[in-house]
Amino acid sequence: NAGVTQTPKFRILKIGQSMTLQCTQDMNHNYMYWYRQDPGMGLKLIYYSVGAGITDKGEVPNGYNVSRSTTEDFPLRLELAAPSQTSVYFCATNKPGSGQPQHFGDGTRLSIL
Amino acid sequence: AQSVSQHNHHVILSEAASLELGCNYSYGGTVNLFWYVQYPGQHLQLLLKYFSGDPLVKGIKGFEAEFIKSKFSFNLRKPSVQWSDTAEYFCAVNAPMDTGRRALTFGSGTRLQVQP
Repeated sequence: NAGVTQTPKFRILKIGQSMTLQCTQDMNHNYMYWYRQDPGMGLKLIYYSVGAGITDKGEVPNGYNVSRSTTEDFPLRLELAAPSQTSVYFCATNKPGSGQPQHFGDGTRLSIL
Repeated sequence: AQSVSQHNHHVILSEAASLELGCNYSYGGTVNLFWYVQYPGQHLQLLLKYFSGDPLVKGIKGFEAEFIKSKFSFNLRKPSVQWSDTAEYFCAVNAPMDTGRRALTFGSGTRLQVQP
């Protein structure tokens, strides 16, 4: 049982490049989330999904896109990388229901130069 | 909008000292409250959570937290810290009955450094 798997773990991009951060879970959780964590800050919600085919914007969605074609996968897409997107990105999942904790992946450290 | 405040940004303690980290939230409805810990280079792990019942919640590794509804607070405590508790601690809240607020809102974190 791998839980939440994020790839890659590290990546350096040039300004204007695009990439997809992968997130896969094997817990059959309906809810999935993408957060970014900047130094000295808490996590900020980028996008979330309550089930396959359903996505919604979080607090800081600009510059990102997501899709949720299956329960297991929730990729995050950066179309035109900008230095402001340098951050650590965490994917998380949880079951629906009150009080269900979120389970986090190990994160992707992304640098835009 | 829902927000979470952690007033202590960096705390330095000696081993065996007692710990209390503050967390206040702003949301008038029903909330679930969480404390997560992030060890250096690792992902967030759940320490404890509150969603109903006894407002004093016990978590892993000897941590506990008390939900005081009238103060909108959920402070984290540990009677005696160890060097291995050195980590960053995040308070988080969500509003399970509010579709737009089911995702977690995090505080900015408290970096705890325990000196041997």
